Amino acid sequence: EVQLEQSGAEVKKPGESLKISCKASGFSISGYWIAWVRQMPGKGLEWMGIIYPGDSSTRYSPSFQGQITISAAKSISTAYLEWSGLMASDTAIYYCARHSSGWYSPFDYWGRGTLVTVSS
Amino acid sequence: QSVLTQPPSASGAPGQRVTISCSGTSSNVGGNTVHWYQQIPGTAPKFLMYSNNQRPSGVPDRFSGSKSGTSASLAISGLQSEDEAEYYCAAWDDSLKGVLFGGGTKLTVL
Repeated sequence: EVQLEQSGAEVKKPGESLKISCKASGFSISGYWIAWVRQMPGKGLEWMGIIYPGDSSTRYSPSFQGQITISAAKSISTAYLEWSGLMASDTAIYYCARHSSGWYSPFDYWGRGTLVTVSS
Repeated sequence: QSVLTQPPSASGAPGQRVTISCSGTSSNVGGNTVHWYQQIPGTAPKFLMYSNNQRPSGVPDRFSGSKSGTSASLAISGLQSEDEAEYYCAAWDDSLKGVLFGGGTKLTVL
């Protein structure tokens, strides 16, 4: 069974760093593009970027370029989303999702989401 | 970043048919396939429709999709209370070189 298991909720202060994870099971993460999607409170879905764990190729949305780092450790079937200096506006639910094949393909499996709360 | 244009809300009585539109440009909806996701409040999005009009296994045939030019639509017939959710369209954007989502349509079953 394909699953994307995300790390638990986080509460951080502005300026702190954070790395959340998305562990894949039931398929080889090396062969699929994995995306990160943000959902701010009461708002819609926003594509942040993608990674191909097979060779760690990444693409970022211009809206998030420079603000986040997407990485992966294929040996442990895990993708990561990282911030070096959180802001209150980073408060959101973050989902990882698997592209069914290439970039153009749909997200066929989603993680349950990681709630990140940034507050002083 | 720009989003694909969806109506913020839609509604219908049980058994009725509703349609949700998704409008974009030649660099996204017009030039690439459209996918749809259903999000029930408090849960993760669910894969609902792909390549404009293809249903993943397990999705009832009450759900159908279409695309013409730079617009796409999701239709739900025989509306049921369990269909009450937020619906998002999405497409690859050649200019952004990334995925664009619609703003979402909240469907209410009256």
